[in-house]
Amino acid sequence: DTAVSQTPKYLVTQMGNDKSIKCEQNLGHDTMYWYKQDSKKFLKIMFSYNNKELIINETVPNRFSPKSPDKAHLNLHINSLELGDSAVYFCASSPGVAGGVAKNIQYFGAGTRLSVL
Amino acid sequence: GEDVEQSLFLSVREGDSSVINCTYTDSSSTYLYWYKQEPGAGLQLLTYIFSNMDMKQDQRLTVLLNKKDKHLSLRIADTQTGDSAIYFCASAAGDTGRRALTFGSGTRLQVQP
Repeated sequence: DTAVSQTPKYLVTQMGNDKSIKCEQNLGHDTMYWYKQDSKKFLKIMFSYNNKELIINETVPNRFSPKSPDKAHLNLHINSLELGDSAVYFCASSPGVAGGVAKNIQYFGAGTRLSVL
Repeated sequence: GEDVEQSLFLSVREGDSSVINCTYTDSSSTYLYWYKQEPGAGLQLLTYIFSNMDMKQDQRLTVLLNKKDKHLSLRIADTQTGDSAIYFCASAAGDTGRRALTFGSGTRLQVQP
């Protein structure tokens, strides 16, 4: 019954590979996000979708491509993985406009620790 | 763009109060949050405050907001060893419900028995 769930929890892969991380939320929220946390614990927004529409696309290499098949899912595909992509990737969701006073409160998944060797 | 700053480290003794401070730059920040991250875990929403409030209390947690100085603090009363974690301050501007959070660098709280 986890609210925001990400898979896999750990991902170890070689440079140059392509990998995907999946995220699902069962909260009925309209907006979903991907954040990256680096080795110094800095958290930075990468992408955001509202009801399957891309609304935030920060300066992220083209190798990163988010996909939202429906408003409950936001997946992240990474092509040609590089050493610098090693980080913890967090998915989050928020109610959006329909959430009233709670519209922007964001709930996070447990994170996916990506290690590129 | 928005900038959020926190001190990096705080050490307290069990039973004392902890105060974690945060400053932000965007005066249009409408939501301010505190998240807790335990080692190897995700981000747990602890509490939040709207910009039209000065204070919010939730059990052992007290949040104070000084909008004039753009300063936010989190006070944890009767700090326990289980409170040892990294605490992140975060802000979001606007009121659309679709804004990304800008995070501080996190304050590592160490609670000594």
